[in-house]
Amino acid sequence: DVKVTQSSRYLVKRTGEKVFLECVQDMDHENMFWYRQDPGLGLRLIYFSYDVKMKEKGDIPEGYSVSREKKERFSLILESASTNQTSMYLCASSLNLGYGYTFGSGTRLTVV
Amino acid sequence: GDSVTQMEGPVTLSEEAFLTINCTYTATGYPSLFWYVQYPGEGLQLLLKATKADDKGSNKGFEATYRKETTSFHLEKGSVQVSDSAVYFCALKVTGGGNKLTFGTGTQLKVEL
Repeated sequence: DVKVTQSSRYLVKRTGEKVFLECVQDMDHENMFWYRQDPGLGLRLIYFSYDVKMKEKGDIPEGYSVSREKKERFSLILESASTNQTSMYLCASSLNLGYGYTFGSGTRLTVV
Repeated sequence: GDSVTQMEGPVTLSEEAFLTINCTYTATGYPSLFWYVQYPGEGLQLLLKATKADDKGSNKGFEATYRKETTSFHLEKGSVQVSDSAVYFCALKVTGGGNKLTFGTGTQLKVEL
């Protein structure tokens, strides 16, 4: 089975801190994604990547950046964390068109 | 743009009741359709999918049929169990759309004894 691992389940950070959320997949998937999940809003796409060093903005990229230096790793960066970025963050990967995603267990980030 | 509309929850059912969670979509292209399930404290798992009109996806007793004429992909199960309590997400992916999934807002299902 494909495994997508997110480095932290729970994270508490202070306003203004730079925050790194790490995601690693072990099945050589080309595509990787970062979503945030909020009550009543479902999942919203922040950024995605379809190859090493490639990135595309999703629907809500403001306040975030990403890095994909290796195929298996996709990092989400909050340049200066704010309280409105308190959320559940979900990483996913997929092989190609027609396949669904494999999700990580999520990182619940609280910014205080 | 592409979008998915799900019925609002929570949906509360007794064990062995029949389940329907409605999902309709709008898409600029010809989408593949998915249902994902999220159990408490976990990430999302693919439950079932359908890639063309009239296809029926099925898994773990759940079914959904891709209805192009009504742009719908309703999730059904004949007899729910307490262990089915979770949040269910309908999603679509349009060919050529960068392999992105567009999700609905999710429907929480609570099954009671």
